[in-house]
Amino acid sequence: GEDVEQSLFLSVREGDSSVINCTYTDSSSTYLYWYKQEPGAGLQLLTYIFSNMDMKQDQRLTVLLNKKDKHLSLRIADTQTGDSAIYFCAESMGNAGNMLTFGGGTRLMVKP
Amino acid sequence: DGGITQSPKYLFRKEGQNVTLSCEQNLNHDAMYWYRQDPGQGLRLIYYSQIVNDFQKGDIAEGYSVSREKKESFPLTVTSAQKNPTAFYLCASSPYGLAGGPLRYEQYFGPGTRLTVT
Repeated sequence: GEDVEQSLFLSVREGDSSVINCTYTDSSSTYLYWYKQEPGAGLQLLTYIFSNMDMKQDQRLTVLLNKKDKHLSLRIADTQTGDSAIYFCAESMGNAGNMLTFGGGTRLMVKP
Repeated sequence: DGGITQSPKYLFRKEGQNVTLSCEQNLNHDAMYWYRQDPGQGLRLIYYSQIVNDFQKGDIAEGYSVSREKKESFPLTVTSAQKNPTAFYLCASSPYGLAGGPLRYEQYFGPGTRLTVT
C-alpha cells in the first residue's frame, strides 16, 4: 500500500535554513502537500505542489519535488522560533475519492 | 467566521464507557474525516464521509462508529470495544467531495480533542 516517510526530528538555529524531507510511494499522486501542526492544535495547510512541477516557492517556503525518486522537500528560509512545530507531508491518493496519506511528521525545533 | 470546530478540547472517561466526540463545520464542505494521532506518530484515518448519509471505514475503524445525518456534522463515537482509546482525535473536512483540482484534496482541520480513558 501507500506509505509516506519522514525523518522524526530536525533541529536548527534561528536564522538558518531548514530542510524537511519526505519520500512517498504512490506514483499516481497528483498533488503533494505540506501541513504544519503547532502543539496541541490541528493541522494547517502550508503549501502544495502539483506533481508535474519541480519547484514551488511561496515567500520563505520552497518545495522541491523529484518525481523520479518520489522525494519531496520543504525548505524554510530564515527559520524563526515560531516555525517550531511538526511538519507533515501528504500525498493525494491516486484512486477515487479525495483522500490524503500523511507521513509520520517531522518535529522541527528552532533554537534561539 | 467559517471553520471547523471540535468539542470538547479535553475529555476524560472511565474504561468501559462509550464517548462521542463532536465535529461541526460551517464551510459547506462535502467530505469529512476522523483521524487519530498518538504521541510522536502521524495521523491514522478512522472513518471518512464524502456525502451525507454515507461513510466509509478508514485504516483503523475497529472500536469506532460514526454518523453523517447532516452535512455540517460528523460525530465520532469511541466505543468500549476500542482497546487503546487514549489519543488525540482530529476531525477534518474538504470542499469538493467528488470534484477535481488541488482543493479536492485539501483538508481543513479542527483543533482536536484529547481523549484520556482511565
